Parts: sequence; C-alpha cells; structure tokens
Amino acid sequence: GQQVMQIPQYQHVQEGEDFTTYCNSSTTLSNIQWYKQRPGGHPVFLIQLVKSGEVKKQKRLTFQFGEAKKNSSLHITATQTTDVGTYFCAGPSGGSYIPTFGRGTSLIVHP
Amino acid sequence: DAGITQSPRHKVTETGTPVTLRCHQTENHRYMYWYRQDPGHGLRLIHYSYGVKDTDKGEVSDGYSVSRSKTEDFLLTLESATSSQTSVYFCAISEAGGSLNTEAFFGQGTRLTVV
Repeated sequence: GQQVMQIPQYQHVQEGEDFTTYCNSSTTLSNIQWYKQRPGGHPVFLIQLVKSGEVKKQKRLTFQFGEAKKNSSLHITATQTTDVGTYFCAGPSGGSYIPTFGRGTSLIVHP
Repeated sequence: DAGITQSPRHKVTETGTPVTLRCHQTENHRYMYWYRQDPGHGLRLIHYSYGVKDTDKGEVSDGYSVSRSKTEDFLLTLESATSSQTSVYFCAISEAGGSLNTEAFFGQGTRLTVV
C-alpha cells in the first residue's frame, strides 16, 4: 500500500535557527495534511494543501506541496521553544480519504 | 478542540484479558478512526468507520475489533490483550471524504499498558 515517508526523524536546533521537515509519497496524493503533536499531547491539525505547487504560510510556518503532488515540506523560520513537538504529514491512502501518517519529525529546540 | 472524548484515559490490564476503549464524539462527523502510536512508528491505523455499522480494517488490525452502533460512539476491543498491544491509542474523527474537509480531529488518547 501507499507509504508516506518523512525525514528527518529527529532535528535538534538552537532557538532562532530554521527547521525543515520533508514528506515523500510513493504515489500521487490528492491532498496532504500537516499536524503538530506537543509532548504528551494529541495531534492537532495545522493545514491542508490540495493544489499542485501550492504554498501556504501561517506566521513563521511555510508549507509547500510539490508540483507532482508526491512531496511536501514544512519550514519553520526562526524557531522558538513553543515550536517543540512532533510534526506529522498525512496523505490519503490508496485513493481513499483515510489519512496515512508519516512517522513524524520530532523537533527539539535548545534555548 | 473538537468534541471527542476517549475513555478510559489510562488503563493497566493483564495479558489475556479483554479490553474495550471508547470514543465518543459530539460533532456528528461521519468518519471515525482508531490509531495506535508507538515510538518510531508514528500513527498507525487500526480500524476505521465510515458510518453506523460500517467499518473496515487498517494496516495493524490483527488482534483488534471495532463496533459502531451509533454515530457518536466507536468502540475498540482487544479480544485478548498482549504485551505488544501496550501503546497509546488515539481516536480521530473527520467530517467528509474526498479532497475537502478531511482533516482529522483527535481525542486526548488512551495509554494502555498490558502486563
């Protein structure tokens, strides 16, 4: 079945540095979603991208959907300690609507 | 947060015993999901439901069963718990299928320990 691969698994940064996580699918996705999970918490929906080449911004977060709709990235500018958590991408599985999650990237921000 | 309640929030059970986890929603969303989360594996789908009495298997369904007799409730049952089922279980709901309105809203999670 479809797999959504996410890298890196972990990322340590100093506060103020930038951070990027990448998501790659073996098949074309109808959409891609991004979630954030704080330590000890539950995943929280951040955004959904639907169009080829789409770019969306939320304050310091920039989300991109690749032209072929097989990859996506989340970039955080000037990280803050409040950005700590695990970021997941999710794409529909096998043409269905069921979100298939990547393994996530855990972001650790050192003050 | 969306109106999703998972119960219990924590449970310790013995190997071989049956366990039922409950997910209750007040959003009237059609789709409900059970995921398990383990270190290094992210969120893996156990079972999902696309309507009352309509359920299907996910990628890690062995050892689990589900039931949905009402729109608002989705039950996950471990018929005979094993130590490999020690995990954090998340229920999620979504409103619609297709490309739109498919974002998932998660419950707070249930931490299950099988000893």
